[in-house]
Amino acid sequence: QVQLVQSGAEVKKPGASVKVSCKASGYMFTIYYIHWVRQAPGQGLDWMGLISPRSGSTTYAQKFQGRVTMTMDTSTSTVYMELNNLRSEDTGVYYCARVIYGDYAFDYWGQGTLVTVSS
Amino acid sequence: ELVMTQSPATLSVSPGDRVTLSCRASQSVGSNLAWYQQRPGQAPRLLIYAASTRATGIPARFSGSGSGTDFTLTISSLQSEDFAVYYCQLYNNWSWTFGQGTKVEIK
Repeated sequence: QVQLVQSGAEVKKPGASVKVSCKASGYMFTIYYIHWVRQAPGQGLDWMGLISPRSGSTTYAQKFQGRVTMTMDTSTSTVYMELNNLRSEDTGVYYCARVIYGDYAFDYWGQGTLVTVSS
Repeated sequence: ELVMTQSPATLSVSPGDRVTLSCRASQSVGSNLAWYQQRPGQAPRLLIYAASTRATGIPARFSGSGSGTDFTLTISSLQSEDFAVYYCQLYNNWSWTFGQGTKVEIK
């Protein structure tokens, strides 16, 4: 069955970087785009960007441009999201999600990774 | 910039009620709209994609309609497990945007 398993919770200081992983299994990794979505505490969902596991090409939301980098390792079917220069407003749960075949919606989601930014 | 507005912010309803949630885009997105359900402490779950197609395993009481700028999610008879937050999401020109969410709570 399709699974996206994310790395564990992180606590970081302002100005630091965080790198969250998302390991895919149960399907052909290179076929489906993987997206990242952030959810601040008690808030809605915020799209961060996507990576194509086939080519490694990325598209980032304007809000995160310059601070986010998405990469992949096809040998382990893992996608990574690194966010730099963290500030307290970056505290939240970060989700990876797979795009459904033939459409633009997200059919499978990781369990989420809580990132806390605090001095 | 594409803006989407989800309404209402909160809906207080009783089990068995028919529920209608709305999502409006500032410009036409065709049928590139999805609906998600999020229960507390859980990841979002895809309910509807392409405006009106139910995702795998989603009960028939969930239905989606609309195209262009105005979209609706209808729950025909609310069950206890349906009390949650619902988000719409649209896609346009390599950008994905979520609505602010509608919380469906028990009256």
